[in-house]
Amino acid sequence: DTAVSQTPKYLVTQMGNDKSIKCEQNLGHDTMYWYKQDSKKFLKIMFSYNNKELIINETVPNRFSPKSPDKAHLNLHINSLELGDSAVYFCASSQGTSAQETQYFGPGTRLLVL
Amino acid sequence: DAKTTQPNSMESNEEEPVHLPCNHSTISGTDYIHWYRQLPSQGPEYVIHGLTSNVNNRMASLAIAEDRKSSTLILHRATLRDAAVYYCILRDVWRDDKIIFGKGTRLHILP
Repeated sequence: DTAVSQTPKYLVTQMGNDKSIKCEQNLGHDTMYWYKQDSKKFLKIMFSYNNKELIINETVPNRFSPKSPDKAHLNLHINSLELGDSAVYFCASSQGTSAQETQYFGPGTRLLVL
Repeated sequence: DAKTTQPNSMESNEEEPVHLPCNHSTISGTDYIHWYRQLPSQGPEYVIHGLTSNVNNRMASLAIAEDRKSSTLILHRATLRDAAVYYCILRDVWRDDKIIFGKGTRLHILP
């Protein structure tokens, strides 16, 4: 069973389109995250939700809007896609927000904006 | 945030031990030392973490210097599957939960 799953795995789209990436975890965790890994391979946190409430929002353009319908899901909607949005997006989850908690990452969604 | 410094890349022969160093000279008393790794085309995965004492698990060992200003991740017997980017990360128990990834060390395993 996949612990953290993301769909789609690959996403190719045109500039200006709106797209969504879905994430689901079956670990019973309370906290979920979105990370972005750019072409230089730097991995940066974008958002964090704990019990469906936003707790981290790292200087991300408001074209990016996370939505957590329940604790097991954290979706990422992106409006008006730009070339610079091309990256790999990783979803992750952890039991809580403690510094000792292990984060479990999904396989990533590779987004290419043309 | 306390920062970590790691070599950009390292090489090791298969079936030999690997010692991956990490310097964190500005570490605070409440910083946990975490290691994650990212295999090619996969998401990061947890390896090990510790605070002051050395730690062992089925994947690796973590040796923490007495002054905590450096640590070493030890893979006891490297396999080709261990080729990955290894990230040394500090997480402060009093601050928010975000993980700040640096550049990491790209480990190449030679058959």
